[in-house]
Amino acid sequence: GNSVTQMEGPVTLSEEAFLTINCTYTATGYPSLFWYVQYPGEGLQLLLKATKADDKGSNKGFEATYRKETTSFHLEKGSVQVSDSAVYFCALSDNNAGNMLTFGGGTRLMVKP
Amino acid sequence: SAVISQKPSRDICQRGTSLTIQCQVDSQVTMMFWYRQQPGQSLTLIATANQGSEATYESGFVIDKFPISRPNLTFSTLTVSNMSPEDSSIYLCSVELPGTSGYEQYFGPGTRLTVT
Repeated sequence: GNSVTQMEGPVTLSEEAFLTINCTYTATGYPSLFWYVQYPGEGLQLLLKATKADDKGSNKGFEATYRKETTSFHLEKGSVQVSDSAVYFCALSDNNAGNMLTFGGGTRLMVKP
Repeated sequence: SAVISQKPSRDICQRGTSLTIQCQVDSQVTMMFWYRQQPGQSLTLIATANQGSEATYESGFVIDKFPISRPNLTFSTLTVSNMSPEDSSIYLCSVELPGTSGYEQYFGPGTRLTVT
C-alpha cells in the first residue's frame, strides 16, 4: 500500500536559518505529492504540491521537488521566520485510489527569534 | 479554494453518547472526506462520502460506529456513536476541488472532541 515517511520532530531553528524537512514515499503508479501546514490552533492548509516527476512546488518561500528516482519530496526554505512555526505534513494522492490522501506523521517546526 | 465550516468547533461528551459533526462547503463538490487526527498524531482517513451513494469506509472504520450522511453537494455529517475516551480526536472534513494541475483537497477547521 501507499505510505509517507517524514523526519521526526521537533525541528528547532533560529530565525533566518535554512530549513529542510525530509519526506519519502512509497506508492504504486504516479502519485501527486503535497505539503500541508497546520499552524497552532488552526486547520490544515495546502502549502504546495507537485503532480509529476521533476516538478517543483513553491509557495511563501517554501519549495519541494518531486524526485521519482529517490521517491522523495523534501521541503526547503532558505530563511525561516518565527511565523513559520507550525506542524508540516507531507502527503500523497494516488490518483488510482479515488484521490484519497495518505499523510506522513507530521514534523513540528519551532523557530526561535 | 473553498470556504469550509464545521460545527461544533469543539465539544466535551460523556462516554456512551453520540455526537454529530456537520461540514458545510460554500460550493458544490462531488467528493468529501472525513479524517481523524488523534492527539499528537497524523491524519487518518475515515471514509469518503460522495453525494447520492453510500460512504466508503477505510480499514478499521465501520458504518455502525461512524455513520455518514451526504444529502447534497454542499453538506455532510459524521456521527461518532457510542463514544469512548479513545474517540477523543480532532475530526476534519475535506473537499476535493480542481486545481491548476490536478485535484487538491481543502480542509475544514476541525472539530475537537473530548470524551470523558
